[in-house]
Amino acid sequence: QSALSQPASVSGSPGQSITISCTGTSSDIGGYNFVSWYQQHPGQAPKLMIYDVNNRPSGVSTRFSGSKSGSTASLTISGLQTEDEADYYCFSYAGSRGLVFGGGTKLTVL
Amino acid sequence: DVQLVESGGDLVQPGGSLRLSCVGSGFTFSNYPMNWVRQAPGKGLEWISYINGASKLIYYTDSVKGRFTVSRDNGKNSLYLQMNSLRPEDTAVYYCARDRPDWAVDYWGQGTLVTVSS
Repeated sequence: QSALSQPASVSGSPGQSITISCTGTSSDIGGYNFVSWYQQHPGQAPKLMIYDVNNRPSGVSTRFSGSKSGSTASLTISGLQTEDEADYYCFSYAGSRGLVFGGGTKLTVL
Repeated sequence: DVQLVESGGDLVQPGGSLRLSCVGSGFTFSNYPMNWVRQAPGKGLEWISYINGASKLIYYTDSVKGRFTVSRDNGKNSLYLQMNSLRPEDTAVYYCARDRPDWAVDYWGQGTLVTVSS
């Protein structure tokens, strides 16, 4: 079961926007609109930021948005803030294979 | 408030067995699918297993098939993971995680550490 492919790291300055990509296949991201994104700060449990490709749970900042094109999903964070510095993971339903995470992306806010 | 509390993590020798438990509260446990997710030290998240509310639909990641068994007791608001034939690469923090349920996790436990080492 191969993990979804994410860049190992991205960086940006406060106020800027960044996008994290998550590439899968037609058997996971490309086949279903069940992509979610998680933020994880060191030593903490992950937090749901986006579900069903582009929906935000209550309480999550509107600066976070999600999208999908083909077998690639993306998380965009606008107006970067220092507290956004964390690890980010994509997660997708994969049919009979169950579910699969991306390898994770470390976001550094310079 | 929704709470998930895991227990059962321990130091175990390679080839050994361990049973993890997770108790849910603050929601109707039987209505929600549940997942086990693990994170090896310094590594990323890895989904391990999924079980729906009625225990009729169960999935495992390939690396644990035949070794791990997920189950639940809705009367006790509890989720379990029976882990057999443990390997050093199974060393990780194991999280119990509630499914929304649309294949996204909305609540996580605090995790329980499993260490497989001689």
